[in-house]
Amino acid sequence: NAGVTQTPKFQVLKTGQSMTLQCAQDMNHEYMSWYRQDPGMGLRLIHYSVGAGITDQGEVPNGYNVSRSTTEDFPLRLLSAAPSQTSVYFCASSPSASFTQYFGPGTRLTVL
Amino acid sequence: DAKTTQPPSMDCAEGRAANLPCNHSTISGNEYVYWYRQIHSQGPQYIIHGLKNNETNEMASLIITEDRKSSTLILPHATLRDTAVYYCIVRVAGGSSNTGKLIFGQGTTLQVKP
Repeated sequence: NAGVTQTPKFQVLKTGQSMTLQCAQDMNHEYMSWYRQDPGMGLRLIHYSVGAGITDQGEVPNGYNVSRSTTEDFPLRLLSAAPSQTSVYFCASSPSASFTQYFGPGTRLTVL
Repeated sequence: DAKTTQPPSMDCAEGRAANLPCNHSTISGNEYVYWYRQIHSQGPQYIIHGLKNNETNEMASLIITEDRKSSTLILPHATLRDTAVYYCIVRVAGGSSNTGKLIFGQGTTLQVKP
C-alpha cells in the first residue's frame, strides 16, 4: 500500500491563480480530510468527507473547494490564491471519522 | 473536548526510554487519549490511543493513570529518528456528529541525543 499520497510536493503561485492539490489513498478509507499547518498555529481543518459524494466544511473553509467523486481521491481546489493561503497542506484518511488517521507527506504552497 | 497540557520540550539519550507526560484533568468518561507525532517537515503520524487500560503496540506504550487525569507515552528505546514533536489529544471516539477533527496543541518537542 502506498498509503496517502499528495501531489505536488511544492508549489508556487501568484495571487489570483487557481490550482488543485491532489490527495489519494489506497486503503479504502471512507473518511478523508484536509488540514493546513502554519508556523506556531498547529493544524487546522479545512474540509472533510465521510464518504464518496459527501463533503463538509471544517474550521477554515473559505477560499477552498472540495469534491469526493471516488473513495480514493479527495482534491482540494484553491479558487483564487491569496498570500494568506501560503501554508503546508496535509491530507489525512481513516476507516471512519475516528481519530486514528493517516496523513500524507504534505504540499508546501507559497502564494506570492 | 478536554484540554491537555504537555511540557514544551524534553531531551532523551539514545537507547534510553523516553517518557512523555500529558495532563488531561478535565477528561470525560467517554474520551480517549490519542498520541501523534510529527517529525520535521512530515505529516503527523498516529502512535497509539487508549481509554483507561494501558496499551502497547510496536511503537510505544501508553500508561493512563487510574483517575485518567494524566497519561505517559513511553518510547522504550529511543533512537535519533524519534526526534519529533509529540502531541497528546483527547477526543470522544465515534458518534454521528463526529467530524474526525483532530486538535493539535503545541505538543512536546522530544530531542533524542547520541
